[in-house]
Formats: sequence, C-alpha cells, structure tokens
Amino acid sequence: VQLVQSGTEVKRPGSSVKVSCKASGDIFDDYTYHWVRQTPGQGLEWLGRFIPITDATNYAQSLQDRVTITADKSSNTVYMQLNSLRFEDTTIYYCARGPLGADNWLDPWGPGTLVTVSS
Amino acid sequence: EIVMTQSPGTLSVSPGERATLSCRASRGVSSDLAWYQQKPGQAPRLLIYGASTRATGIPPRFSGTGSGTEFTLTISSLQSEDFAVYFCQQYHNWPPLTFGPGTKVEIK
Repeated sequence: VQLVQSGTEVKRPGSSVKVSCKASGDIFDDYTYHWVRQTPGQGLEWLGRFIPITDATNYAQSLQDRVTITADKSSNTVYMQLNSLRFEDTTIYYCARGPLGADNWLDPWGPGTLVTVSS
Repeated sequence: EIVMTQSPGTLSVSPGERATLSCRASRGVSSDLAWYQQKPGQAPRLLIYGASTRATGIPPRFSGTGSGTEFTLTISSLQSEDFAVYFCQQYHNWPPLTFGPGTKVEIK
C-alpha cells in the first residue's frame, strides 16, 4: 500500500492550492482518506476525510469554509483544495488512509506536501 | 472537541532502558486511541490502535494500555531507531479527530 502526494507548492495569499494523493496497492473503495496538516505551533491538525464508497465527506469545523476534499475514483486519487490561503497555512499537508466504519486510525500516511504561502 | 495532552514533553532515556509515555483525553474516549511514531523528515507511522493493538509490523517491545481518559505507551527496551516523537490520537468523538502535542524521546 502506498500513498503518493503531489509536489511542493508556493502560493500567494488569497489564492487556492490543490494537493493530490494517489493510492495504490489495495482496493480504493475499501478505505477512507484523510488530510492532516502539521505545524510547529498547532501540531497535527485533522482537516477532513473522504469516503469513496459513499462519496461522503467530513470536515473540521475550523476549516470547513475553506477546505474541499474530492476524489477521482478512476485513478484512485484524492484531492484536498484549500481556498483563501493565509500565511499561517504554510505547512506540510499529509494524506492518510483510514478504515471504513467508525474507527479512524490512520495508516499509512503519505510523505507530505509542503505548501508555502508567500507574497 | 476532545483535547489530548501528553507528558512529558521530552523524555531522555538510555538505549536498552524502558520508556513510558502518557496521554490524557479531556473526556472519555473508551479505547478509541492510536499512537504514532514520527522521525525527522518523515510522516507519522501508526504503532498502536484500539489503545493496545499493535499495527502490522510493529515489534512487541511497543505496548499500549489504558481506556477512558488515561493511556500509556511503553517501549520496553529502547533501540536506536526508537528515538523519535510519539503522538496519541483519539477517534471516539469526531469530527474532528484530535492529536496530542507529542512526546520527544531523546538519547540520554
């Protein structure tokens, strides 16, 4: 099982970024796909998840107005789009896989994508 | 939102010694707790889920105990590759999933 993420992004404040995560090695619909970011100040922050079998999403309330998680099931790829970027959105964004159902431990994680917001 | 805290912030341990890390939840999370290990420049790796079940490929020197609000990760005999940061995460009451701030295990 492997999660491969897209590369480093540099964006202007107020713009949007879309990060991809391609899953391989297992049945895509048998799992859920999460996005987590890691900052020195906030630590690990869960952003949301996508459930391929139902096309459902769940988001952290703190970011739900700015984050959208989608997927292209034909290519086993999940996307995280963050809008209205702020300087404080500069950090590493990870995708991670979780089991179907109520349990939400995360395994494995992708390698991370660095997003830098700079003017 | 359930707030997770971890102690200590940093733990200095000699190779071969036991390390005991603590995680506390602001409200009960039953056994819906996971532990992760993160090394510099790498993504977190799942060690334990369900408070006490080792993930695939995790050596038996890692063990997790606890339920409700108090949890412990024990590394029975520290190996050189175990020096890292360890996070706990609850998945009982969500969204959001929440993580502790981490415990850094460093060489004494």
